Amino acid sequence: GAGVSQSPSNKVTEKGKDVELRCDPISGHTALYWYRQRLGQGLEFLIYFQGNSAPDKSGLPSDRFSAERTGESVSTLTIQRTQQEDSAVYLCASSLVRGLEGYTFGSGTRLTVV
Amino acid sequence: LAKTTQPISMDSYEGQEVNITCSHNNIATNDYITWYQQFPSQGPRFIIQGYKTKVTNEVASLFIPADRKSSTLSLPRVSLSDTAVYYCLVAPDTGRRALTFGSGTRLQVQP
Repeated sequence: GAGVSQSPSNKVTEKGKDVELRCDPISGHTALYWYRQRLGQGLEFLIYFQGNSAPDKSGLPSDRFSAERTGESVSTLTIQRTQQEDSAVYLCASSLVRGLEGYTFGSGTRLTVV
Repeated sequence: LAKTTQPISMDSYEGQEVNITCSHNNIATNDYITWYQQFPSQGPRFIIQGYKTKVTNEVASLFIPADRKSSTLSLPRVSLSDTAVYYCLVAPDTGRRALTFGSGTRLQVQP
């Protein structure tokens, strides 16, 4: 596609439920990243994919968070047993292997845990 | 990765030039300086990147002194639509890594 697409754009869930967030990267972009942004804060790195492998998952805050990617395509971020502190905007970005200027972000999924 | 320091917020008026300075005292030889812009309810987007001296594109200019320990993003004649958060990032331009974003500088442009 023309840009990075994320779905849903908004998600309200009850505490304790599982949620799945989806990211469709730009076609041909081999690298994919997930970030979390709390209200008024900067971006917090979660996980990085190169192809369908995850060489850096150091930012995942707990074992309730997991992510997978199918080939060099769609990625899903799953949060199990959601907590109120999980409320944030979850942003996905994709890029070619090289180049700091080539990161393209989606508009994010706003997750609210009530 | 080099740590960056930039002002938390800045205010300006339409038509003025805005300069946002970022400090990066421990920048490495192979690090590049990259600026991203984030509007409300959107992901960040690339503005400009440089290694040394001056870089200019249709959106902004980036000034980098010889010691490269700081850089200044210059936005000429800002408009209301330039109200956004601006992030300064310093890292090698070799991909295979995640960008590290600080809290950025929140620019508010008034009429």
